[in-house]
Amino acid sequence: AQSVTQLGSHVSVSEGALVLLRCNYSSSVPPYLFWYVQYPNQGLQLLLKYTTGATLVKGINGFEAEFKKSETSFHLTKPSAHMSDAAEYFCAVSPRSARQLTFGSGTQLTVLP
Amino acid sequence: GAGVSQSPRYKVAKRGQDVALRCDPISGHVSLFWYQQALGQGPEFLTYFQNEAQLDKSGLPSDRFFAERPEGSVSTLKIQRTQQEDSAVYLCASSLERTGSGGYTFGSGTRLTVV
Repeated sequence: AQSVTQLGSHVSVSEGALVLLRCNYSSSVPPYLFWYVQYPNQGLQLLLKYTTGATLVKGINGFEAEFKKSETSFHLTKPSAHMSDAAEYFCAVSPRSARQLTFGSGTQLTVLP
Repeated sequence: GAGVSQSPRYKVAKRGQDVALRCDPISGHVSLFWYQQALGQGPEFLTYFQNEAQLDKSGLPSDRFFAERPEGSVSTLKIQRTQQEDSAVYLCASSLERTGSGGYTFGSGTRLTVV
């Protein structure tokens, strides 16, 4: 069975600082990898995904993530945080042979002025 | 429609009451998923449809939970004899693709509170 671990349930950064949200997965075969963002009382919005090819993936709102097979990681980064980035972020994986997503427990990002 | 629409947005049910939650996926999307998100947790998979066929219901927590998608578009998640532990946000997602590579479009969810 696959699992997803997001280190740090709460992360605070200053506006303009680097954002780094960590995600590690366990799977015998590299799965599809996703990052979703959830604003209060809203559904999840896809930020970016890795399926195949280039391991550095660029997404919306200036976010990017790098798939590192040797580390079984898919950390999310953004060079400069904006107040509007404050939200909850979920890492998710999907086996290549299946369809449903397995989510991590989420990281709440706070951006300080 | 332009997005995945779920109704109602909020539902308060007395313990033991039956509820029905509706999902209108994006037109033409083949795959439809239901997830349950407890407070402070990530979403957990409940069930999956490809068109009208329910291909995976392994995540449904008990036989009180039932989902259908009779015409391959709108889906309904029904919970019978609700219990307090059923309180959660129920998210619906749809995808154009049959595989998992495309990512999904999620609705805003239905927040169910059982009192």
